[in-house]
Amino acid sequence: DQQVKQNSPSLSVQEGRISILNCDYTNSMFDYFLWYKKYPAEGPTFLISISSIKDKNEDGRFTVFLNKSAKHLSLHIVPSQPGDSAVYFCAASSPAGNKLTFGGGTRVLVKP
Amino acid sequence: DSGVTQTPKHLITATGQRVTLRCSPRSGDLSVYWYQQSLDQGLQFLIQYYNGEERAKGNILERFSAQQFPDLHSELNLSSLELGDSALYFCASSVGYRYQETQYFGPGTRLLVL
Repeated sequence: DQQVKQNSPSLSVQEGRISILNCDYTNSMFDYFLWYKKYPAEGPTFLISISSIKDKNEDGRFTVFLNKSAKHLSLHIVPSQPGDSAVYFCAASSPAGNKLTFGGGTRVLVKP
Repeated sequence: DSGVTQTPKHLITATGQRVTLRCSPRSGDLSVYWYQQSLDQGLQFLIQYYNGEERAKGNILERFSAQQFPDLHSELNLSSLELGDSALYFCASSVGYRYQETQYFGPGTRLLVL
């Protein structure tokens, strides 16, 4: 049972445009969400997080939006740069446990 | 560089064997987590230690065990290895054990069981 889903396995975007990555979750106990970026042969790198008491969190070019009623979050990257080409994972945690539950990832390709 | 180190980077072994993966957390972090990333299962939580004590357990097989030592480094022991254990094994660390803390990941150990 996949509790965190990233339904788009891949995304291609032109340099300078916006990248929008989506993530859905089913477990209503999740109330802390994170996005990680992963390059080949490296571990996931933390990008940005959001607590369920907020609906938006911004850090430079990265903004995460949370819609609790829809159990949906999204990551916006503006403007996209070639160095953003990587696999992006959303992850969620709940007070019931310290583990992160990950989505399957979305591979982003930013074309120059 | 996250500050989390893992050794070895690559490991090739045979079925039935036992291996040990090692992780050193970021300076000051007391929690260590182990995750497995396989092609069909994605990134799955295995186990967490906090300051030497087991804190949370996930989908960890009985053939697998872990421990965290007084210097806070951790080892993941995999025994009676099967072909299906071939995967990337990541260690992550965080300052404490609260669920709202950011976990920082190491570069991983790629295990290939032949």
